[in-house]
Amino acid sequence: GQQVMQIPQYQHVQEGEDFTTYCNSSTTLSNIQWYKQRPGGHPVFLIQLVKSGEVKKQKRLTFQFGEAKKNSSLHITATQTTDVGTYFCAGPHRGGSNYKLTFGKGTLLTVNP
Amino acid sequence: DSGVTQTPKHLITATGQRVTLRCSPRSGDLSVYWYQQSLDQGLQFLIQYYNGEERAKGNILERFSAQQFPDLHSELNLSSLELGDSALYFCASSVNVPDTQYFGPGTRLTVL
Repeated sequence: GQQVMQIPQYQHVQEGEDFTTYCNSSTTLSNIQWYKQRPGGHPVFLIQLVKSGEVKKQKRLTFQFGEAKKNSSLHITATQTTDVGTYFCAGPHRGGSNYKLTFGKGTLLTVNP
Repeated sequence: DSGVTQTPKHLITATGQRVTLRCSPRSGDLSVYWYQQSLDQGLQFLIQYYNGEERAKGNILERFSAQQFPDLHSELNLSSLELGDSALYFCASSVNVPDTQYFGPGTRLTVL
């Protein structure tokens, strides 16, 4: 079946260091979405990328969608303690006439102040 | 606050029992999704409904069932509960498929 793989599974950084998580799909995606889940919280939508090679920025976060629309990355510049949480990528996969959103297993980011 | 509500927040029950989890989607959202999240499995998609009809199924056990009612709220029924069913159960909603999903706060189920 369709899979979305994320690496690394865990990342611990010192505050101020950069952080990157990578997402790879087994199939071409029409779009890719990123979510963040704070400890004890629920996943919250961050952004959606649609176009091949698209790059979007949200303050210190930079999101990229690969040219082949099968991979994506999230880069955080100069991490802060507020960045702590699990970052999930998700891509829609078609099953027959229906779509479902397949989530990667997430990257848990911890930040040492 | 995502606008998606889930009740109850916590549920503690015994093996073999049956429970019902409830979800109210954001106003205007027609699609409802159920996910199970356990420590080692990440977010597992269970089932999706759109305007009352089942649209997609994931790794949902036969002991689990769901439905979406005419007012668009949804219920997830878990029966013959096992210890391994202990997890966080999230409901999410979206306007259409496959749109951005807005997650509820979740129901933490503990099976003793």
